[in-house]
Amino acid sequence: NAGVMQNPRHLVRRRGQEARLRCSPMKGHSHVYWYRQLPEEGLKFMVYLQKENIIDESGMPKERFSAEFPKEGPSILRIQQVVRGDSAAYFCASSPGLAGGTGELFFGEGSRLTVL
Amino acid sequence: QQQVKQSPQSLIVQKGGISIINCAYENTAFDYFPWYQQFPGKGPALLIAIRPDVSEKKEGRFTISFNKSAKQFSLHIMDSQPGDSATYFCAARGTGNQFYFGTGTSLTVIP
Repeated sequence: NAGVMQNPRHLVRRRGQEARLRCSPMKGHSHVYWYRQLPEEGLKFMVYLQKENIIDESGMPKERFSAEFPKEGPSILRIQQVVRGDSAAYFCASSPGLAGGTGELFFGEGSRLTVL
Repeated sequence: QQQVKQSPQSLIVQKGGISIINCAYENTAFDYFPWYQQFPGKGPALLIAIRPDVSEKKEGRFTISFNKSAKQFSLHIMDSQPGDSATYFCAARGTGNQFYFGTGTSLTVIP
């Protein structure tokens, strides 16, 4: 059973470009979370999604950031017109939800975005 | 507003010593309290977790102590080893399956 897969692992963008980060949850998991981690800092919640639904996006900046989790395919975190302050590691986590399992979050290895 | 407060920010322990990391929360609706371990360049991985109806859980050298009335929980690492050097995050799950993380503790175990 493959774990949470994130790609790309490393992404370099120039200011003003778009960044797309992808996350394939573990098999059977229908809940996806995105977190941002800055150097020497903790995990900052961004957004919580289920298939085709955004459950909680209270941690997502109102502008330039969006997330989706379509019926088919991976979850995507999209950052438009990137700025240097967007440079961070972005982690995706999945869980089977309350209905199944222990509620454990399984994290991917992260996508490290560098904005030049 | 930080839902889960974690301390200390960093910790240095001699090999064989006990590492203790503390977390506190306010929301009594939290129903699951996991600890995650993260090595540099890697994603966090679940280390040990506890539910609020239990006061202590032990797995090998790792123990969670949970004080429901004080709304505090802590991670104890017995016989700390250099390989335990990592960043540790406490977390709490709220209603709606939302997870709140502490700010992390960087643990260094000196040989």
